[in-house]
Amino acid sequence: EADIYQTPRYLVIGTGKKITLECSQTMGHDKMYWYQQDPGMELHLIHYSYGVNSTEKGDLSSESTVSRIRTEHFPLTLESARPSHTSQYLCASSEHRGRNRTSVSGTQYFGPGTRLLVL
Amino acid sequence: GNSVTQMEGPVTLSEEAFLTINCTYTATGYPSLFWYVQYPGEGLQLLLKATKADDKGSNKGFEATYRKETTSFHLEKGSVQVSDSAVYFCALTPLGGSQGNLIFGKGTKLSVKP
Repeated sequence: EADIYQTPRYLVIGTGKKITLECSQTMGHDKMYWYQQDPGMELHLIHYSYGVNSTEKGDLSSESTVSRIRTEHFPLTLESARPSHTSQYLCASSEHRGRNRTSVSGTQYFGPGTRLLVL
Repeated sequence: GNSVTQMEGPVTLSEEAFLTINCTYTATGYPSLFWYVQYPGEGLQLLLKATKADDKGSNKGFEATYRKETTSFHLEKGSVQVSDSAVYFCALTPLGGSQGNLIFGKGTKLSVKP
């Protein structure tokens, strides 16, 4: 069973507030990801990280930012929340065997998600 | 580019019915293929995967075979249960890709009625 945690599970917050969504994994995985899942269920990669001090933007542009100071921790921050940020946010992690790998990428393990509602 | 197309839902079946969820992909080379499942209120879980042509992934009664000639990875189960109600995502990882990120289909919602 995967050991990846997200807090809070649910968050209702007013417009303009700063929020941080927490994600932690205890599997020692190098690579971590943030996805945004819209009500139609489609997943959009918004950020990922190869390891400590590495952060990359994903396929979908996002106003959020991330940091990776420790291997196990990959928090996502919204400086000023807006109603358009209302969504479910999923964190994931995987093993990573090198930036220019030719072998198969590792399976991604997902956290339970944070459901965010911005009023 | 790389992409995944899966059948649109929702799919509604009676218990013990046969399930097929179609998935086709576009990719260069030989990607790895995955099916993930998302139960209500939860994150995604890996259901099964296949890493090369003609491989069959299987788990919990679900199966999918990697078909290079038809670029498909259809999910099947012979007899569904109410507990299989969930959203199913087909995904691929391009082999040799520098990012190694998953490319997901849009998901298919399955509802199984008693």
